[in-house]
Amino acid sequence: GNSVTQMEGPVTLSEEAFLTINCTYTATGYPSLFWYVQYPGEGLQLLLKATKADDKGSNKGFEATYRKETTSFHLEKGSVQVSDSAVYFCALSAAPFSGGYNKLIFGAGTRLAVHP
Amino acid sequence: DTGVSQDPRHKITKRGQNVTFRCDPISEHNRLYWYRQTLGQGPEFLTYFQNEAQLEKSRLLSDRFSAERPKGSFSTLEIQRTEQGDSAMYLCASSLNRGGGRLYNEQFFGPGTRLTVL
Repeated sequence: GNSVTQMEGPVTLSEEAFLTINCTYTATGYPSLFWYVQYPGEGLQLLLKATKADDKGSNKGFEATYRKETTSFHLEKGSVQVSDSAVYFCALSAAPFSGGYNKLIFGAGTRLAVHP
Repeated sequence: DTGVSQDPRHKITKRGQNVTFRCDPISEHNRLYWYRQTLGQGPEFLTYFQNEAQLEKSRLLSDRFSAERPKGSFSTLEIQRTEQGDSAMYLCASSLNRGGGRLYNEQFFGPGTRLTVL
């Protein structure tokens, strides 16, 4: 079945450090891939997405590239800020022809803590 | 505020009691999803509606769970005879499906209802 695996946290970084959060997936067909972020006390928000192989999603300085050959969608940011402290979820949406109807399948989440 | 709203935000109940949660999606959104998130895990899909029709239910949704969206607007999720294992955050999301095959329609999430079963 479809699944998402992401690196365990917490990830603790100093401000302005480089961030990588690994995400790999298993899926039939051609899924769309997403990163969601959950700030303390808030709901899930879409951070970025990529809908086909080699697409790069980007938003707020975060980037992720859809790599079909390695079934990966790693999240990166060149210089993190304290305000980036949150839980990050990698997710996929199965292609409609496999009956997914756009439901999201999430990884377990990675907590990021950025210190000044 | 035009986002997805959920009520209540917190619910504490005793084992064996029934509980009902409400979700109000973004107006005009025709799709509505329910997810469950347990501590330290990502959300898991429960069920989804296209307008008032419930089109898919996860195996996670036992016969104690029922969801409705009677007029294609708000939705309710009821859990009967609650068990301690039902303690979780229940998330609602909505999206506007314009058709188009593989095109993804962004899901907007509500703040969730945290259920604690004692």
